[in-house]
Amino acid sequence: GAGVSQSPRYKVAKRGQDVALRCDPISGHVSLFWYQQALGQGPEFLTYFQNEAQLDKSGLPSDRFFAERPEGSVSTLKIQRTQQEDSAVYLCASSPAGQDARYEQYFGPGTRLTVT
Amino acid sequence: LAKTTQPISMDSYEGQEVNITCSHNNIATNDYITWYQQFPSQGPRFIIQGYKTKVTNEVASLFIPADRKSSTLSLPRVSLSDTAVYYCLVGGMNYGGSQGNLIFGKGTKLSVKP
Repeated sequence: GAGVSQSPRYKVAKRGQDVALRCDPISGHVSLFWYQQALGQGPEFLTYFQNEAQLDKSGLPSDRFFAERPEGSVSTLKIQRTQQEDSAVYLCASSPAGQDARYEQYFGPGTRLTVT
Repeated sequence: LAKTTQPISMDSYEGQEVNITCSHNNIATNDYITWYQQFPSQGPRFIIQGYKTKVTNEVASLFIPADRKSSTLSLPRVSLSDTAVYYCLVGGMNYGGSQGNLIFGKGTKLSVKP
């Protein structure tokens, strides 16, 4: 079956531009997570959705970061006025369970964002 | 939130058994121990999970001592394709905070040589 997909796979943005990153989770998965992974580091949690509700956005680094999942399936992570420090791989993961580390999360391949 | 400590890197040769140990001294009673694997240009992939004693699946074994303050991921007879970063995580259900989130460290970069 299809896994988690993300698009685009690569994005180059000039500093100050807005970007939108898309995540298509596994069909039927209630939970959706976004992570940011800097080079040489492990993924860091950004935000969590349960269906269409954003229940945890404690990891979003600034108010320039915004995520939505309006119909409880596809999600978009938007970064406004990109800065060089936003350069990273953005990973999306989905799970049939809730916000529970005991359950497997299924990750997409990520979107590599480079801000020049 | 429980934190984990694991070696930054390890080298091995094809056919050898590899053991990666992770320390998690502050693990909570309801926390589980989970290992993920990540190849370059891919997202992490779940390998194995356990609460106590030993767990084995088709990919790996996980050994957890009685005090649960550490765990060891064992990969039998590694091949070149096992070259990846391995992350040890501890966590459980969300009780109102963010305890249910996956907290990744830097992981252990395993290099398997021919």
